[in-house]
Amino acid sequence: DAKTTQPPSMDCAEGRAANLPCNHSTISGNEYVYWYRQIHSQGPQYIIHGLKNNETNEMASLIITEDRKSSTLILPHATLRDTAVYYCIVRVGHNTDKLIFGTGTRLQVFP
Amino acid sequence: DAMVIQNPRYQVTQFGKPVTLSCSQTLNHNVMYWYQQKSSQAPKLLFHYYDKDFNNEADTPDNFQSRRPNTSFCFLDIRSPGLGDAAMYLCATSRDIGGNQPQHFGDGTRLSIL
Repeated sequence: DAKTTQPPSMDCAEGRAANLPCNHSTISGNEYVYWYRQIHSQGPQYIIHGLKNNETNEMASLIITEDRKSSTLILPHATLRDTAVYYCIVRVGHNTDKLIFGTGTRLQVFP
Repeated sequence: DAMVIQNPRYQVTQFGKPVTLSCSQTLNHNVMYWYQQKSSQAPKLLFHYYDKDFNNEADTPDNFQSRRPNTSFCFLDIRSPGLGDAAMYLCATSRDIGGNQPQHFGDGTRLSIL
């Protein structure tokens, strides 16, 4: 599985958009980009995933560059409850469901 | 409403004393996973069951075993816990293998070793 690189920490003001970047320069054509988050003392929570098209759901938007070497998770209106560690994971979708977590980005949303 | 339930949330055991952690799910998913998460680290997959088919990760110590008596329940057995096994243990499920199914996690059991 391709490796991912994320900044270790980011801050965001409440109500503003949080844009979390992820580099995955060695991604293969059939590997999907997944985002999970982990709020303190809870299990990881699935947010969104995509292959090459941009995706949006009720939680977030995922923007994947045309060359697929990087992506950005967007939380459009961050709240204090979005404070968490965000993990970007690249996964082969058809052979295995193994998740290999990287170090993630610790997002702190402040009032 | 809880879909993946782990009990207890906190477990204390003695060095070398066998311990079992439990996980149940109400999603009727085919796949169940166990992850280990040490302090300030990311979760690491130990093994998973696809239905009754057990799949061990290559670097999972022999000290860790698992049982899945039915679709709803899965157990993690640590035969002789050492101090290095103190961690959060996370259970997760997915509907099937492949097809880009997201994993649903429980809130974990935090294991302490005395």
